[in-house]
Amino acid sequence: EIVLTQSPGTLSVSPGEKATLSCRASQSLPTNYIAWYQQKPGQPPRLLMYGASTRATGIPDRFSGSGSGTDFTLTISRLEPEDFAVYHCHQYGSSPTFGQGTKLEIK
Amino acid sequence: QVQLVESGGGVVQPGRSLRLSCEASGFTFIRHAFHWVRQAPGKGLEWVAVISDDGNSKYYADSVKGRFTISRDNSKNTLYLQMNTLRTEDTAVYYCARAFTLFGVPSDYWGQGTLVTVSS
Repeated sequence: EIVLTQSPGTLSVSPGEKATLSCRASQSLPTNYIAWYQQKPGQPPRLLMYGASTRATGIPDRFSGSGSGTDFTLTISRLEPEDFAVYHCHQYGSSPTFGQGTKLEIK
Repeated sequence: QVQLVESGGGVVQPGRSLRLSCEASGFTFIRHAFHWVRQAPGKGLEWVAVISDDGNSKYYADSVKGRFTISRDNSKNTLYLQMNTLRTEDTAVYYCARAFTLFGVPSDYWGQGTLVTVSS
């Protein structure tokens, strides 16, 4: 099983600033089958990014993804109030797994 | 618009069974694979199972293999999860989520979830 470790567990950032979230895989993902989801309380996850760096439909360009191999990053530039949520990374290969999540909170 | 509506959750004693349903609308059901993903209270997401568009291929997480069965009725646009021999650690919100293939494509739409509580 591929274990995904997200860091930090909680990230405190001010609106208008940049947030950088990390996701590290226990083994290399040559196909870059990494997605990022945003989840707000009481809501299901919302797909933000797939293929490590491709934004899903309707996702604003302040969200960007990067990385390859075992290290992946989600960057949110110019944080808006609605961006404060929990973010999950997800590898969608033949035995899918999720990271434990990073809570992005207002500083 | 795409809609996935789960139902069937509730409180059940350990060792008992429960069947979840996920009714789909707003898209062509038979063109999609479907996953069940769960989230224990205050925890992260855990993949549970996936079924192919024709229902012939099914895969499970080790934690539920042999106890849970995923199925679908394409004539009713409905996905199911039969959960047997439930354990307290199965307590979670269960989401259904659609994908275009079994693996290699992330789920783009998720239902609102249904809560399963396993407790004596």
